[in-house]
This record gives sequence, structure tokens and C-alpha cells, in this order.
Amino acid sequence: EVQLLESGGGLVQPGGSLRLSCAASGFTFNTYAMTWVRQAPGKGLEWISGITNSGGSTYYAGSVKGRFTISRDNSKNTLYLQMNSLRAEDTAVYFCVKGAGTTPWRKEVDYWGQGTLVTVSS
Amino acid sequence: DIQMTQSPSSLSASVGDRVTITCRASQGINNYLGWFQQKPGKAPKSLIYAASSLQSGVPSKFSGSGSGTDFTLTIDSLQPEDFAIYYCQQYSSVPLTFGGGTKVEI
Repeated sequence: EVQLLESGGGLVQPGGSLRLSCAASGFTFNTYAMTWVRQAPGKGLEWISGITNSGGSTYYAGSVKGRFTISRDNSKNTLYLQMNSLRAEDTAVYFCVKGAGTTPWRKEVDYWGQGTLVTVSS
Repeated sequence: DIQMTQSPSSLSASVGDRVTITCRASQGINNYLGWFQQKPGKAPKSLIYAASSLQSGVPSKFSGSGSGTDFTLTIDSLQPEDFAIYYCQQYSSVPLTFGGGTKVEI
């Protein structure tokens, strides 16, 4: 059974940093691309970043480019999202999402984690 | 960036109804289109990929069609558990983008 368990969310002040983790199990982690999607309270879904299966290529939405960094440790079956220079508008539930191929585009996603809440507020 | 426009933004339906949701891309995306269902307080669930292929375990009451810029999601014989928000997403090019969502309510 595929499982994606996010952690690391919480309350952080504007300008602060946070690192999210996603522990994956139930599939061969290094075979698939991974993605982060977020959802602000009461709003729709926003794709923010993706990474190839090897970690060799990363992709970002304009809203987070230069502030967020996606990475993965295939030896630990774990996906990360380092978030710096956080703003109030980054407040959202962050979902870890498994791709069905080796790249985060041209191939669908299939499994979602339950999400972790990040609140940016003073 | 490719813009995804869903319509309607919400609809009212009854148990047993057939409903159709549309999704339009601002440029051609071939069939790189997925549909997702989200219930309150829950993570989204993948329903359809490649515009018309059902994800494993998804009942056949859900169907998708379209290619290029115009796509539809159809739900047959609506049941209480189908009342949710539905999103489309293009994965033809980065950044991947979602439609604004369609709330299906009683």
C-alpha cells in the first residue's frame, strides 16, 4: 500500500524558514517523480514544485521560485521542501504527491499524502 | 503558464442525477489532463488521468473525455458520497496548473 506521510508543518513568523518532509513507503521511491501541492484555507489547489525520480531536475511555480527548494533522499525514501523567506500568503496545507512516471510533467500523479499545515503569522 | 478554466464553479444536483463538469485549457495540452475529487478536510483523490483513463479502484460511474483544449468529467448516477469538489489539472508543461474547482452539492 502506498503511503505518504508529511511532517514538519507548524507556525512560523514572516521571513522565517521551515522544512517539510514526506516519508514514502509501499513503492520503489527512486523510480517515481514527486511533487508538492498546496492549498490555502478555503482555496483551490496550487502546484508548487516537482522533482524527477533521480533528483537531477527540479521545477517550481513562479510564486515560490527562489524561496523554496525541493529535494529528495532516495536512500531514505524521503521527499523534502525547504521553505525560506516565508510570507503570510504561503499559509496552506502542503500535500506530498507521487507521480506515475520519472518526470513531474507529461505523466500523471496518482497518490496523495494527507497534508501538513503551515501557518505564517506573527 | 497554461490557464485552466473550470465550469461551472458550483452546481446543485440530486441523488441519481448525471452531472458534467468542463475544463478548458488556454492552449493545447493533448490529453495531459487529470481529474481529482476532494471532500471536506481530506486530501484530493486522483480519479482520471490522460483525460479519459480511470485510476485504479475508481468506479466506472466516473468518465472523462476530450483532447486539445476542451475536456469533460461526467459522473453518472450521483450518490451522496460523490458530493465534493472536483479539480482538473494539466500536466503537459511546467508549471502544472489546476482549474479553480467545481463544487458539486445537493
